[in-house]
Amino acid sequence: DADVTQTPRNRITKTGKRIMLECSQTKGHDRMYWYRQDPGLGLRLIYYSFDVKDINKGEISDGYSVSRQAQAKFSLSLESAIPNQTALYFCATSDSRGMGSYNEQFFGPGTRLTVL
Amino acid sequence: QKEVEQNSGPLSVPEGAIASLNCTYSDRVSQSFFWYRQYSGKSPELIMSIYSNGDKEDGRFTAQLNKASQYVSLLIRDSQPSDSATYLCAVNKGGQAGTALIFGKGTTLSVSS
Repeated sequence: DADVTQTPRNRITKTGKRIMLECSQTKGHDRMYWYRQDPGLGLRLIYYSFDVKDINKGEISDGYSVSRQAQAKFSLSLESAIPNQTALYFCATSDSRGMGSYNEQFFGPGTRLTVL
Repeated sequence: QKEVEQNSGPLSVPEGAIASLNCTYSDRVSQSFFWYRQYSGKSPELIMSIYSNGDKEDGRFTAQLNKASQYVSLLIRDSQPSDSATYLCAVNKGGQAGTALIFGKGTTLSVSS
């Protein structure tokens, strides 16, 4: 089945450590997104990429960076993790063709990150 | 005004009843509207998309859109305990060519058997 996968699924780290979250998809979609979800704050967009050479900041990009290594892979890095980056992180994809042009997005299973 | 607003709930309905979930949005040029279902600790799952005024039905789910009133709703008929989840309304900001989905904070639905 065409799918979106995220690794790791759970991670506990310490303040100041560098962390990379990875996302891979077999849907053949060209657009990929990173969101974080916090209780009471909902889903917020961190970064998005429309293709390998097109990367854009979202609502809350400070403290994060991304890399689009291939159409199917999009990584999120926390250069120096801090406790308020503790959250549930989701990768999502969409297809710019057809109905995807309306921006239907499909989510990966998420990574639960805890920064101590 | 928040960009996408939903009542947080919880909305409690008995099994077999109709659950009605509502969402308002502020960006008048928005063209795409989505409902996601999210079980606790899981990822959002797309259950309905709607782009034109009126109703769109898919099984037990009906999405309703009124662009003049900037209002989207989701009806769940014959509610089941398995429908108990948080429902997220999402709006494509900036029209069809817009780049961002803006999410509401979600409405928690509880269906009792």
